[in-house]
Amino acid sequence: KNEVEQSPQNLTAQEGEFITINCSYSVGISALHWLQQHPGGGIVSLFMLSSGKKKHGRLIATINIQEKHSSLHITASHPRDSAVYICAVSSYGNKLVFGAGTILRVKS
Amino acid sequence: ETGVTQSPTHLIKTRGQQVTLRCSSQSGHNTVSWYQQALGQGPQFIFQYYREEENGRGNFPPRFSGLQFPNYSSELNVNALELDDSALYLCASSFITSGKEQYFGPGTRLTVT
Repeated sequence: KNEVEQSPQNLTAQEGEFITINCSYSVGISALHWLQQHPGGGIVSLFMLSSGKKKHGRLIATINIQEKHSSLHITASHPRDSAVYICAVSSYGNKLVFGAGTILRVKS
Repeated sequence: ETGVTQSPTHLIKTRGQQVTLRCSSQSGHNTVSWYQQALGQGPQFIFQYYREEENGRGNFPPRFSGLQFPNYSSELNVNALELDDSALYLCASSFITSGKEQYFGPGTRLTVT
Protein backbone atom coordinates (compact mmCIF):
# COMPACT_ATOMS: atom_id res chain seq x y z
CA LYS A 1 0.00 0.00 0.00
CA ASN A 2 1.36 3.41 -0.95
CA GLU A 3 2.08 5.88 1.82
CA VAL A 4 0.01 8.53 0.01
CA GLU A 5 -3.23 7.63 -1.74
CA GLN A 6 -5.26 9.99 -3.90
CA SER A 7 -8.74 9.73 -5.28
CA PRO A 8 -10.08 9.88 -7.84
CA GLN A 9 -7.35 9.03 -10.35
CA ASN A 10 -9.24 10.75 -13.15
CA LEU A 11 -11.91 13.41 -12.93
CA THR A 12 -13.90 15.12 -15.67
CA ALA A 13 -16.08 18.08 -14.75
CA GLN A 14 -18.19 20.67 -16.49
CA GLU A 15 -17.15 24.29 -16.24
CA GLY A 16 -18.56 25.84 -13.08
CA GLU A 17 -18.75 22.63 -11.07
CA PHE A 18 -17.39 22.25 -7.55
CA ILE A 19 -14.50 19.76 -7.49
CA THR A 20 -13.04 17.76 -4.63
CA ILE A 21 -9.85 15.72 -4.71
CA ASN A 22 -9.00 13.58 -1.72
CA CYS A 23 -5.70 12.49 -0.20
CA SER A 24 -5.03 9.97 2.56
CA TYR A 25 -1.64 9.21 4.07
CA SER A 26 -0.33 6.58 6.44
CA VAL A 27 2.87 8.12 7.84
CA GLY A 28 3.67 10.85 10.34
CA ILE A 29 4.12 14.17 8.61
CA SER A 30 5.34 17.69 9.26
CA ALA A 31 3.31 19.14 6.38
CA LEU A 32 1.08 18.21 3.46
CA HIS A 33 1.50 19.80 0.06
CA TRP A 34 -0.90 20.22 -2.83
CA LEU A 35 0.85 20.66 -6.16
CA GLN A 36 -0.32 21.33 -9.69
CA GLN A 37 1.42 19.88 -12.74
CA HIS A 38 0.64 20.96 -16.28
CA PRO A 39 1.51 19.05 -19.47
CA GLY A 40 5.22 19.51 -20.08
CA GLY A 41 6.10 18.78 -16.48
CA GLY A 42 6.40 21.98 -14.48
CA ILE A 43 5.15 21.66 -10.90
CA VAL A 44 3.66 24.58 -8.99
CA SER A 45 3.09 24.50 -5.25
CA LEU A 46 -0.51 25.41 -4.41
CA PHE A 47 -0.62 24.88 -0.65
CA MET A 48 1.52 23.70 2.21
CA LEU A 49 -0.46 23.03 5.36
CA SER A 50 -0.07 21.23 8.66
CA SER A 51 -3.47 21.96 10.19
CA GLY A 52 -6.86 23.45 9.45
CA LYS A 53 -7.70 25.10 6.19
CA LYS A 54 -6.14 27.43 3.63
CA LYS A 55 -7.79 29.36 0.80
CA HIS A 56 -6.32 30.99 -2.27
CA GLY A 57 -8.72 32.36 -4.81
CA ARG A 58 -11.01 29.53 -5.91
CA LEU A 59 -8.86 26.87 -4.27
CA ILE A 60 -9.40 25.58 -0.75
CA ALA A 61 -7.29 22.95 1.03
CA THR A 62 -8.20 21.27 4.29
CA ILE A 63 -6.42 18.75 6.46
CA ASN A 64 -7.54 16.52 9.32
CA ILE A 65 -4.43 15.38 11.15
CA GLN A 66 -6.26 12.85 13.35
CA GLU A 67 -7.82 11.14 10.33
CA LYS A 68 -4.68 11.58 8.15
CA HIS A 69 -6.79 13.01 5.35
CA SER A 70 -6.75 16.13 3.21
CA SER A 71 -8.99 17.52 0.53
CA LEU A 72 -8.43 20.03 -2.26
CA HIS A 73 -11.54 21.86 -3.44
CA ILE A 74 -11.92 23.95 -6.56
CA THR A 75 -14.96 26.22 -6.70
CA ALA A 76 -16.44 27.44 -9.99
CA SER A 77 -14.08 25.25 -12.01
CA HIS A 78 -12.73 26.53 -15.32
CA PRO A 79 -11.04 24.78 -18.26
CA ARG A 80 -7.75 26.43 -17.28
CA ASP A 81 -7.88 24.37 -14.06
CA SER A 82 -7.26 21.26 -16.16
CA ALA A 83 -4.02 19.74 -14.90
CA VAL A 84 -2.68 16.96 -12.71
CA TYR A 85 -3.12 17.66 -9.01
CA ILE A 86 -0.65 15.92 -6.73
CA CYS A 87 -0.75 15.46 -2.99
CA ALA A 88 2.61 15.07 -1.24
CA VAL A 89 3.63 14.77 2.39
CA SER A 90 6.87 15.82 4.03
CA SER A 91 8.45 14.52 7.17
CA TYR A 92 11.77 15.23 8.87
CA GLY A 93 14.31 16.35 6.29
CA ASN A 94 11.73 17.75 3.90
CA LYS A 95 11.78 14.66 1.69
CA LEU A 96 8.47 14.65 -0.20
CA VAL A 97 6.46 11.48 -0.68
CA PHE A 98 4.01 11.90 -3.52
CA GLY A 99 0.67 10.46 -4.43
CA ALA A 100 0.12 9.27 -7.98
CA GLY A 101 -1.86 12.38 -8.90
CA THR A 102 -5.38 13.16 -10.05
CA ILE A 103 -5.88 14.04 -13.70
CA LEU A 104 -8.50 16.77 -13.86
CA ARG A 105 -10.20 17.81 -17.07
CA VAL A 106 -12.70 20.65 -17.00
CA LYS A 107 -14.88 20.90 -20.10
CA SER A 108 -16.44 24.16 -21.30
CA GLU B 1 14.28 36.89 -7.49
CA THR B 2 14.95 34.16 -10.06
CA GLY B 3 13.12 30.85 -10.02
CA VAL B 4 14.50 27.33 -10.22
CA THR B 5 15.96 26.48 -13.61
CA GLN B 6 17.06 23.15 -15.07
CA SER B 7 19.11 22.16 -18.08
CA PRO B 8 18.86 20.65 -20.53
CA THR B 9 15.11 20.56 -21.21
CA HIS B 10 15.24 17.31 -23.15
CA LEU B 11 17.95 14.72 -23.57
CA ILE B 12 18.26 11.44 -25.47
CA LYS B 13 20.94 8.95 -24.41
CA THR B 14 21.83 5.38 -25.24
CA ARG B 15 21.77 2.53 -22.72
CA GLY B 16 25.10 2.32 -20.88
CA GLN B 17 25.96 5.99 -21.31
CA GLN B 18 26.34 8.54 -18.55
CA VAL B 19 24.33 11.76 -18.13
CA THR B 20 24.61 14.95 -16.07
CA LEU B 21 21.57 17.08 -15.34
CA ARG B 22 21.84 20.56 -13.86
CA CYS B 23 19.72 22.63 -11.53
CA SER B 24 20.04 26.23 -10.45
CA SER B 25 18.28 26.88 -7.14
CA GLN B 26 16.07 29.82 -6.34
CA SER B 27 18.03 32.72 -4.90
CA GLY B 28 18.57 32.33 -1.15
CA HIS B 29 17.80 28.60 -1.07
CA ASN B 30 20.43 26.27 0.41
CA THR B 31 18.68 22.92 -0.04
CA VAL B 32 17.99 21.04 -3.24
CA SER B 33 16.07 17.81 -3.74
CA TRP B 34 15.99 15.66 -6.86
CA TYR B 35 13.01 13.57 -7.95
CA GLN B 36 12.39 11.07 -10.74
CA GLN B 37 8.94 10.97 -12.32
CA ALA B 38 8.15 8.07 -14.62
CA LEU B 39 5.34 8.53 -17.11
CA GLY B 40 1.93 8.43 -15.43
CA GLN B 41 3.33 8.22 -11.91
CA GLY B 42 4.06 10.59 -9.06
CA PRO B 43 7.63 11.76 -8.50
CA GLN B 44 9.99 9.59 -6.44
CA PHE B 45 12.61 11.10 -4.10
CA ILE B 46 16.20 10.45 -5.27
CA PHE B 47 18.24 12.48 -2.78
CA GLN B 48 18.60 15.84 -1.09
CA TYR B 49 21.63 18.11 -0.69
CA TYR B 50 22.05 20.68 2.06
CA ARG B 51 25.11 22.93 2.17
CA GLU B 52 26.97 20.71 -0.30
CA GLU B 53 26.42 17.48 1.67
CA GLU B 54 23.99 14.66 0.88
CA ASN B 55 21.16 14.89 3.42
CA GLY B 56 18.96 11.91 2.71
CA ARG B 57 18.56 9.42 -0.09
CA GLY B 58 15.67 7.48 -1.54
CA ASN B 59 15.66 3.94 -2.89
CA PHE B 60 17.97 4.55 -5.85
CA PRO B 61 21.20 2.67 -6.69
CA PRO B 62 24.66 4.25 -6.28
CA ARG B 63 24.90 4.93 -10.00
CA PHE B 64 22.67 7.91 -9.20
CA SER B 65 24.93 10.52 -7.62
CA GLY B 66 24.85 14.22 -7.05
CA LEU B 67 26.73 17.35 -6.22
CA GLN B 68 25.82 20.69 -4.74
CA PHE B 69 28.13 23.65 -5.32
CA PRO B 70 28.95 26.64 -3.07
CA ASN B 71 26.47 28.77 -5.03
CA TYR B 72 23.85 26.05 -4.24
CA SER B 73 23.46 24.97 -7.85
CA SER B 74 23.34 21.21 -8.21
CA GLU B 75 24.01 18.29 -10.54
CA LEU B 76 22.46 14.87 -10.84
CA ASN B 77 24.70 12.25 -12.47
CA VAL B 78 23.48 8.89 -13.67
CA ASN B 79 25.98 6.26 -14.80
CA ALA B 80 25.38 3.12 -16.87
CA LEU B 81 21.98 4.31 -18.05
CA GLU B 82 19.18 1.76 -18.26
CA LEU B 83 15.97 1.94 -20.27
CA ASP B 84 13.98 2.33 -17.04
CA ASP B 85 15.86 5.56 -16.29
CA SER B 86 13.72 7.26 -18.94
CA ALA B 87 11.71 9.80 -16.96
CA LEU B 88 11.21 13.43 -16.08
CA TYR B 89 13.83 14.56 -13.56
CA LEU B 90 12.76 17.37 -11.29
CA CYS B 91 14.76 19.41 -8.86
CA ALA B 92 13.24 21.47 -6.08
CA SER B 93 14.92 24.04 -3.88
CA SER B 94 14.03 25.28 -0.44
CA PHE B 95 15.54 27.20 2.44
CA ILE B 96 16.67 24.89 5.22
CA THR B 97 15.81 21.21 5.10
CA SER B 98 12.51 20.86 6.85
CA GLY B 99 9.14 22.50 7.06
CA LYS B 100 9.61 24.86 4.17
CA GLU B 101 7.86 25.09 0.83
CA GLN B 102 9.77 23.60 -2.09
CA TYR B 103 10.03 25.36 -5.43
CA PHE B 104 10.25 23.11 -8.47
CA GLY B 105 12.13 23.54 -11.69
CA PRO B 106 10.55 22.74 -15.07
CA GLY B 107 12.27 19.37 -15.26
CA THR B 108 14.55 17.55 -17.68
CA ARG B 109 12.96 14.88 -19.86
CA LEU B 110 15.47 12.03 -20.28
CA THR B 111 14.91 9.33 -22.87
CA VAL B 112 17.18 6.28 -22.85
CA THR B 113 17.14 4.16 -26.04
